[in-house]
Amino acid sequence: DAKTTQPPSMDCAEGRAANLPCNHSTISGNEYVYWYRQIHSQGPQYIIHGLKNNETNEMASLIITEDRKSSTLILPHATLRDTAVYYCIVRVGPTDSWGKFQFGAGTQVVVTP
Amino acid sequence: EAGVAQSPRYKIIEKRQSVAFWCNPISGHATLYWYQQILGQGPKLLIQFQNNGVVDDSQLPKDRFSAERLKGVDSTLKIQPAKLEDSAVYLCASSLRGMSEQYFGPGTRLTVT
Repeated sequence: DAKTTQPPSMDCAEGRAANLPCNHSTISGNEYVYWYRQIHSQGPQYIIHGLKNNETNEMASLIITEDRKSSTLILPHATLRDTAVYYCIVRVGPTDSWGKFQFGAGTQVVVTP
Repeated sequence: EAGVAQSPRYKIIEKRQSVAFWCNPISGHATLYWYQQILGQGPKLLIQFQNNGVVDDSQLPKDRFSAERLKGVDSTLKIQPAKLEDSAVYLCASSLRGMSEQYFGPGTRLTVT
């Protein structure tokens, strides 16, 4: 099963871009990278996912390296409401049915004024 | 669109007692998940349903935990008897199908004394 490695914590100034790294050196060719976040006392919230290409939506951008061994989640203009634990997940399991989400400890991001 | 509903939000019981949690997924979502999140850790998948069938319960402590999803909609997770180490937040999530992003409920915080 592919595993991910994330820094335990990072700070970011409000209004600046937050770049959250994730290493997944054992990822398989058919496994996706997912990002979720969990604000205190709430359930995790889906942010974005990708396979090979960079992805962008209204919340964030996902940059995946060409060898797919690492990725970066970019919050372009961090706000105080972005303070949360961010999880990088590589989906494992049969490719023709469903994949189990294995959450690690994540990165605690604190956005400061 | 209504989100994933869970009840109760909080529960305090003594060890060896029984407890049940209820989850109502997003309408039309075929896949339902139960996670256990111990303080300071990421969520751990306990069981995954596809409609009313179990597709993964490899991490469910079957000697004390049980879950069902009657009629492929609502689900109930039961613990009998509870142990101190069962103190955690129990999260329910649903997805349109097994391969798509998951939407989480607010969770039930269980304290076993």
